[in-house]
Order: sequence, then structure tokens, then C-alpha cells
Amino acid sequence: DAGITQSPRHKVTETGTPVTLRCHQTENHRYMYWYRQDPGHGLRLIHYSYGVKDTDKGEVSDGYSVSRSKTEDFLLTLESATSSQTSVYFCAIRAGQDNSPLHFGNGTRLTVT
Amino acid sequence: QKEVEQDPGPLSVPEGAIVSLNCTYSNSAFQYFMWYRQYSRKGPELLMYTYSSGNKEDGRFTAQVDKSSKYISLFIRDSQPSDSATYLCAMTPATGGFKTIFGAGTRLFVKA
Repeated sequence: DAGITQSPRHKVTETGTPVTLRCHQTENHRYMYWYRQDPGHGLRLIHYSYGVKDTDKGEVSDGYSVSRSKTEDFLLTLESATSSQTSVYFCAIRAGQDNSPLHFGNGTRLTVT
Repeated sequence: QKEVEQDPGPLSVPEGAIVSLNCTYSNSAFQYFMWYRQYSRKGPELLMYTYSSGNKEDGRFTAQVDKSSKYISLFIRDSQPSDSATYLCAMTPATGGFKTIFGAGTRLFVKA
């Protein structure tokens, strides 16, 4: 257990509404990541953070924003949810140096109707 | 073409069989190679982590990397029904940890 908690675990929302997903870690790791997982695409990086208030875009960042005001929390916001954002969202941390492997939370299953 | 290709399966084997899971990749900059196991409705769990070419063994699991062929494998010996899961390969270049790329995963079923 990498000490990662994602909330909520499940959410159903309507198109056009804002949604915020939370990732909380207990071990003060510097690097945190948001991925989405879709059939046939595997895990794709949305945004990542390399410290408090330091974030950058990943491969599929359009329509998403992130914030990290504390080391332990990394928030992912869908400003105006669309059906194409229906997915399973995973938060991950990197426990050591830049090339050490990622460790994942148990995901948030988001459905946009 | 995807940077990392992985056969999605499903792969169905009898209990006790040796399982071979594979990924190919196109970017020669990848230096770190990982295999994750993912059970239904759970997050990926790290199984194996290797650097560059060669083999690494951990219990019933063996990871193999052939950089010359851009091919990695995971072997599972004496497979068990509890090994039924989706297996994801992943790889990272020597610099740029945020550039970890994942395969789409292979679904494995081990029948009792």
C-alpha cells in the first residue's frame, strides 16, 4: 500500500458540470500524477506535479486542470465535464528518484451522462 | 503507431501452466521496464522493475528485457487462479520520469 487515497471512488455527473477528484498521500512524496485508463488505450498521463504549486501537462490534458497547494493533496478538476471524460482516473506517486516506478491508488470511476 | 504495443488477449490457460506475456516498443531511449498487475476495479500494482537488458526473477515471476529487439516479457511459472488479472507493461526513458509509457494491458485468465 503506497498510502494513496482517492476520493470519491465513484461519481456520476451530468455534462457541463464541474467535477473535482482528490488524491491524498501520506508519505510526502514529491512527484504525483493523474492518469486516465480507457479500454484499448491503457494509462494516459493527464497532468503531473513535481512539488507544491509546480505542475505540468501530460499527454491528454485538454479539459482538465490540477492544483497542488499541499504536498499531500493533488486535485484534478474537470471544469465542464463531457461524455468523453467518462473514464477511470488513477492517481500515482513516484516514491524515489526520477526513474523509480510509479505506485497507484485504487482509482475513481467517473461517468458523465 | 503506439510507442508500446501489447496484445490485449484475453489469454486463457489451465492452472499450473507457464504464462508468457510480451510487449514491444519503438523508442530506444527506454531504459527502465516495469510490469504491473491490475485486478478488476483496483489500481495497478507493481510486480517487477528492471533496468536495461537482462533477466530478473522474483518467486514465480521472471522479467526479461531484450533491448536489441525492443521486446520485453513476463513469465509466470505454476500459474494460479489468483494470477487472473490484467498485466500492464510500462517503460521509462533514462531521463524524464514523467514520460513513463504504458501498454494497454493483457487480460489473463487462469482456470482451476
